[in-house]
Amino acid sequence: GAGVSQSPSNKVTEKGKDVELRCDPISGHTALYWYRQSLGQGLEFLIYFQGNSAPDKSGLPSDRFSAERTGGSVSTLTIQRTQQEDSAVYLCASSLGHGDQETQYFGPGTRLLVL
Amino acid sequence: AQSVTQLDSQVPVFEEAPVELRCNYSSSVSVYLFWYVQYPNQGLQLLLKYLSGSTLVKGINGFEAEFNKSQTSFHLRKPSVHISDTAEYFCAVVGFQKLVFGTGTRLLVSP
Repeated sequence: GAGVSQSPSNKVTEKGKDVELRCDPISGHTALYWYRQSLGQGLEFLIYFQGNSAPDKSGLPSDRFSAERTGGSVSTLTIQRTQQEDSAVYLCASSLGHGDQETQYFGPGTRLLVL
Repeated sequence: AQSVTQLDSQVPVFEEAPVELRCNYSSSVSVYLFWYVQYPNQGLQLLLKYLSGSTLVKGINGFEAEFNKSQTSFHLRKPSVHISDTAEYFCAVVGFQKLVFGTGTRLLVSP
């Protein structure tokens, strides 16, 4: 498969636990993005990677959220001490380059439910 | 700052009828616009995009959109819809690598 893949597809956790969400971008894509889709907030930007660095972390909602990218490929989004309001679908996207004209290709998402 | 307004949260239509999904945008930088479709329990799939040039953009699955700078609109159209077009449609504008999405329009196609 040549698309963006994400794992797990579904995650149920208890309030206060930490979770890690993984994203494998399309091979050769240098830019990687995380978005969140929730009923109350719609689709919102979280963080953007260019290579392994994150020039824009402005969308991370709190310091409980962090993300890293290693080897210019796989990225992990970590949520510490999860809260019920963190329940959402977390979408990852990648693009070949990092300009505004680049198309972002989305993965299927990870559906997170915090009980 | 960039923003997108999708006025219709839901659009019901009969199969083989034409449809228009409305999108208005606001942008303080160069205007690049996108329409994505989301089928149930799936990610977002690009339908079409406007970067520059012709204001009429053709996309996949028979969809097209027209960029209108004076009305700051980018409405999505299809002359004849199918049951399989039932999905949620998102209009988006990009700025500084971030996609800013509208709230989405649910297209419901019935026989």
